[in-house]
Amino acid sequence: EVQLVQSGAEVKKPGESLKISCKGSGYSFTSYWIGWVRQMPGKGLEWMGIIYPGDSDTRYSPSFQGQVTISVDKSITTAYLQWSSLKASDTAIYYCGRATTSFDFWGQGTLVTVSS
Amino acid sequence: EIVLTQSPGTLSLSPGERATLSCRASQSVSSSYLAWYQQKPGQAPRLLVYGTSSRATGIPDRFSGSGSGTDFTLTISRLESEDFAVYYCQQYGTSAWTFGQGTKVEIK
Repeated sequence: EVQLVQSGAEVKKPGESLKISCKGSGYSFTSYWIGWVRQMPGKGLEWMGIIYPGDSDTRYSPSFQGQVTISVDKSITTAYLQWSSLKASDTAIYYCGRATTSFDFWGQGTLVTVSS
Repeated sequence: EIVLTQSPGTLSLSPGERATLSCRASQSVSSSYLAWYQQKPGQAPRLLVYGTSSRATGIPDRFSGSGSGTDFTLTISRLESEDFAVYYCQQYGTSAWTFGQGTKVEIK
């Protein structure tokens, strides 16, 4: 069974750093892209970026380039999304998804709250 | 970047009625690269349709997708109670994935 399990909810202050994770199982982890999608409170889905665990090839949406870093550790079948300095506007639910040209499996989401 | 515009923003219908959701792209999209998702409150999105018209595993046949070029449609033939949700279209092109802003299907 394909599963993507994300790390738990986080509460952070502006300016703090954060790294959230997405662990894949039940399939060949290095053969599929893993993407990250943001959903701000009450809003729609926004594609942030994507990584191919096989060779760590990474692509970013222009809207998120330079704002976040996507990485992977294929030895533990886990992808990461990280921020070096959070802002209040980063408050959102972040989903990871297994991707080809669409996202066929999704993680459960990680709620990130940034508040002073 | 290709922009996807969904209409209407909200669709108010009764169970048993037919729902027609539209997704228009700012540039032509390959039919192989257009997908639809359903999202219910508090849940992750779920893939319904990929490649414009192929249903994902376990998706009932009351859901169907069609279209080409810049105009795509998701049709729900007879709405059931569990179908009231938000629906998003998504396209893939030149190593970028983009989503429409969503259509909410609500109970009338």
